[in-house]
Amino acid sequence: GQNIDQPTEMTATEGAIVQINCTYQTSGFNGLFWYQQHAGEAPTFLSYNVLDGLEEKGRFSSFLSRSKGYSYLLLKELQMKDSASYLCAVLSSASKIIFGSGTRLSIRP
Amino acid sequence: GAGVSQSPSNKVTEKGKDVELRCDPISGHTALYWYRQSLGQGLEFLIYFQGNSAPDKSGLPSDRFSAERTGGSVSTLTIQRTQQEDSAVYLCASSPSMAGEDIQYFGAGTRLSVL
Repeated sequence: GQNIDQPTEMTATEGAIVQINCTYQTSGFNGLFWYQQHAGEAPTFLSYNVLDGLEEKGRFSSFLSRSKGYSYLLLKELQMKDSASYLCAVLSSASKIIFGSGTRLSIRP
Repeated sequence: GAGVSQSPSNKVTEKGKDVELRCDPISGHTALYWYRQSLGQGLEFLIYFQGNSAPDKSGLPSDRFSAERTGGSVSTLTIQRTQQEDSAVYLCASSPSMAGEDIQYFGAGTRLSVL
């Protein structure tokens, strides 16, 4: 079967660092996406990993371990505007993407 | 256009009626995707198009759901004999090609409420 797991909710403090984990079990794997979705808005692209390792992009970094079926999204220097849902998605085959249920991140002052 | 456009933004219908949702992708994008998102849930893949053809229809929940795309551009998702469980936000996305790593650009969605 196809399964993507990520925590339902997380809370963090403004200025701090938070790591959102994602584990997956899919019939195929061609890459992993992270999307950000603010309440009532469409998802927007954050990152795409296809090789093992860490990809850094400003305050956001994404890590992938294919052998472990594991990824995380690291957010540094948290800002109030980072309060959103973060969706992990696996490209399981040519152009079929499976999304997790998302992690709702709340930032407190 | 500048982005993916979906219409209507909101649709309220009665159980048993048919509804048609429209998606205008970014100009030149060959790939188009439909997703469904229930309240507080992740995205459920429904169908994708490469040009006008839909090679993978496995995500459509039932035979009441159908989709088409004409001219390699506009797509419509039709739900016949709507049921209350069809209530959700229907999101459309497009990407430049079918290469999976291409970023998908999402529209704002159509919020469907079936009474």
